Formats: sequence, structure tokens, C-alpha cells
Amino acid sequence: DAGVIQSPRHEVTEMGQEVTLRCKPISGHNSLFWYRQTMMRGLELLIYFNNNVPIDDSGMPEDRFSAKMPNASFSTLKIQPSEPRDSAVYFCASSPGTGWGNQPQHFGDGTRLSIL
Amino acid sequence: AQTVTQSQPEMSVQEAETVTLSCTYDTSESDYYLFWYKQPPSRQMILVIRQEAYKQQNATENRFSVNFQKAAKSFSLKISDSQLGDAAMYFCAYPPQGGSEKLVFGKGTKLTVNP
Repeated sequence: DAGVIQSPRHEVTEMGQEVTLRCKPISGHNSLFWYRQTMMRGLELLIYFNNNVPIDDSGMPEDRFSAKMPNASFSTLKIQPSEPRDSAVYFCASSPGTGWGNQPQHFGDGTRLSIL
Repeated sequence: AQTVTQSQPEMSVQEAETVTLSCTYDTSESDYYLFWYKQPPSRQMILVIRQEAYKQQNATENRFSVNFQKAAKSFSLKISDSQLGDAAMYFCAYPPQGGSEKLVFGKGTKLTVNP
């Protein structure tokens, strides 16, 4: 079975540019999560969706970040405009259902984002 | 704030020996899951083992087992017969809010396996 698929695997862009990260969750999974990983702050949850609806976006750092899930098989995380401090590895994860009893989360391979 | 603490930034173990990675957490919930994830240099986040807090029996997955002390809010990972492929960052995680899928991760422990 295919796991969580993220694209691109690496992204290098200049400050001020728009960046779009993409995620395809595991088929049949109802929850989708976006994380950011940095050396300083570790792994942080940015936002998560249940059944395509955003449930908790309290981890989104600021208005430059936005996430959408237009359907059950696709989600995007957008940064506009990008800044050097956004450089990090961004992970997408999905889990089978809603509620804690339906863990665990399955992670994609991440996107390494570098903002110059 | 509800947190999870991994007090050992780095650990090392000789191949074939046993190592224990520690994790403590803070929650007011009574029922929850706890998780250990492994992140090798390839960057993937791989689920190693999970523990259900309402079960007294410690979870085991092959060479990996946990020592779960609910009252102490401690959740350590024991790796037996360590292999070179076990070298990775290890993260423990838990959902600080009951009924939520939201996970909080520790800062991680870097495990080195020496041949």
C-alpha cells in the first residue's frame, strides 16, 4: 500500500517567493496533520484536519502560512511570502480515523525547505 | 503547558547490547496512547511502538519494549540486542488532550550504535 506522499522532497527558493507543499494521505485515512521540524524547536504540529475540515490551526506561526484540504486525497501548505526563518523540514501525516483511539499517525518522507 | 520530556539528548550502545531511552510526560487525562517514533538519517518518521494507558501490560514489538509507569508518567523504550540499523533519533509522543488526535513530541534522543 502507498504511504503518505509528499512533494516536493526538496525545495530551495528565494525570500519573498510563494511556496506550496503538497500531501496525499493514505487512502481511507480521515485525519491529516502538518508538522514542521527544526533543530531549535523540534517537531511542531502546525494544523490538522478531520474529514477535510481544519480542526486546530493554533500551531500555524502567522498569517503567511495557510493550509487547505479540498478533498480527502489532497492537502496543501502554502507560505506567502516566504522568509529564511521558514527553512525547515515539513512533514505531512495521516491517521485512520478521528479521536485518539484511531492513532497512530503515518508520516510522509517530508519536504526539506530552504529559503535563501 | 502539557509537555513531554526526553532527558537524554544522546545515548550510545554497543551492538547486541540493551539500551533504555527515557520519556516523561504531563497529562491530566486517564485514558490515552503513548508512542515512540524512530527517525533514521533518511528522515522518515517510523512508528516503533505504542502503549495504551489503560492497559497495565507493557507493549512489546520484537526487540522493542516499553516500561510504562502511569503514576509516574514515565514511558521508557528498551531496545534489546541493538543493531546498527537502530541508530536514529527517537521521539516519544502523546496526545495532551483526551479525545484529540493532536500529538506533542519530545525533543528526541539520538542513539548511536557502536559495532
